[in-house]
Amino acid sequence: SQTIHQWPATLVQPVGSPLSLECTVEGTSNPNLYWYRQAAGRGLQLLFYSVGIGQISSEVPQNLSASRPQDRQFILSSKKLLLSDSGFYLCAWSYGLGDGEQFFGPGTRLTVL
Amino acid sequence: GNSVTQMEGPVTLSEEAFLTINCTYTATGYPSLFWYVQYPGEGLQLLLKATKADDKGSNKGFEATYRKETTSFHLEKGSVQVSDSAVYFCAPTTGNMLTFGGGTRLMVKP
Repeated sequence: SQTIHQWPATLVQPVGSPLSLECTVEGTSNPNLYWYRQAAGRGLQLLFYSVGIGQISSEVPQNLSASRPQDRQFILSSKKLLLSDSGFYLCAWSYGLGDGEQFFGPGTRLTVL
Repeated sequence: GNSVTQMEGPVTLSEEAFLTINCTYTATGYPSLFWYVQYPGEGLQLLLKATKADDKGSNKGFEATYRKETTSFHLEKGSVQVSDSAVYFCAPTTGNMLTFGGGTRLMVKP
């Protein structure tokens, strides 16, 4: 069966510090991968998605970046965090040729102080 | 592109009440339709889905029917429980992309 992991589960970082959030998927190959952000009490905002190694599409211009160094690894980064980067970050995967269903990880709660 | 409109909430119900959460969408092509549920502090879980017109998705007592003519996918449950308290997201998809509504918070009181 397939599983998706995210770490860390929670993170408190000062403004201006770097960020690295990691997402890994097990039990499937060539998944599509997604990063979403959810601000408190709000809906989901798609940040990045990837259909293959090294292929990243950005949905919203901001100070975040994403990388996919391996088939089942997706990393969200920032060089300098802003207060507005606080939120709940969710990673998801889907089959490359599926019905569109996405499978979500447990999320990372990021607080920027 | 796709868009979703769902009632904002919060929706507050007593246990065993009937639930309806409305969802309408606009989409290019022929989307699959999903309802996801998010319990406090957790990621999203698929609740149910429908991939073609008139399909009914169902799970855990929840149901939703794909209505192409009205571009709707309303979520219903005949008798809610306290454990159903969560945020519910409607999402059509075309290709690999999901478009999420803003979510509807459901609070069920004993």
